[in-house]
Amino acid sequence: GAVVSQHPSRVICKSGTSVKIECRSLDFQATTMFWYRQFPKQSLMLMATSNEGSKATYEQGVEKDKFLINHASLTLSTLTVTSAHPEDSSFYICSARDPQGVQPQHFGDGTRLSIL
Amino acid sequence: AQSVTQLDSHVSVSEGTPVLLRCNYSSSYSPSLFWYVQHPNKGLQLLLKYTSAATLVKGINGFEAEFKKSETSFHLTKPSAHMSDAAEYFCVVSDTGTASKLTFGTGTRLQVTL
Repeated sequence: GAVVSQHPSRVICKSGTSVKIECRSLDFQATTMFWYRQFPKQSLMLMATSNEGSKATYEQGVEKDKFLINHASLTLSTLTVTSAHPEDSSFYICSARDPQGVQPQHFGDGTRLSIL
Repeated sequence: AQSVTQLDSHVSVSEGTPVLLRCNYSSSYSPSLFWYVQHPNKGLQLLLKYTSAATLVKGINGFEAEFKKSETSFHLTKPSAHMSDAAEYFCVVSDTGTASKLTFGTGTRLQVTL
């Protein structure tokens, strides 16, 4: 079945560092990918919708200059957290829209980001 | 606008006893409804989905859910809990008019005890 790979699974870095997270669709083309943020013991909050070849659509309250999204190919979207600070520490999950429509989205395993 | 309310943040059951995780939804369109499971530090796995076909939906691992329009509910059940069912469960709604944009409930943590 459709698989989404997210890398890295865990990142620990110093405050002020920029961190890039990759989301790949392994066996299908994903024209649309989604980025979510999940705080401890809370639900997933949609940050942005990433469309291949065009600018991402950000949800209200999400800083586009802070969370840079690039979707340059049909199988790869990246999220870069720029100049990360401790409050950016969170669990970030990507997903890709299912081209077959069996389910709405296929999810990656997430990235645990810890900013010291 | 669409929304989902999961009525219980935490449910604890004994192994071998039934599971009931409650979900109510609100949607302007004919909704599609889903239940996802999340194990610690993992992404989400689809358990089952309702998309206007049969109102009783069977999913993986023995789970099922019944769509009740009159009650705007989509509760998740399983006849007999297993230790491996311990996880976070999310009820999710998607309006057919919003191109698969998903709205998540706040989640229910299922604890299974011996």
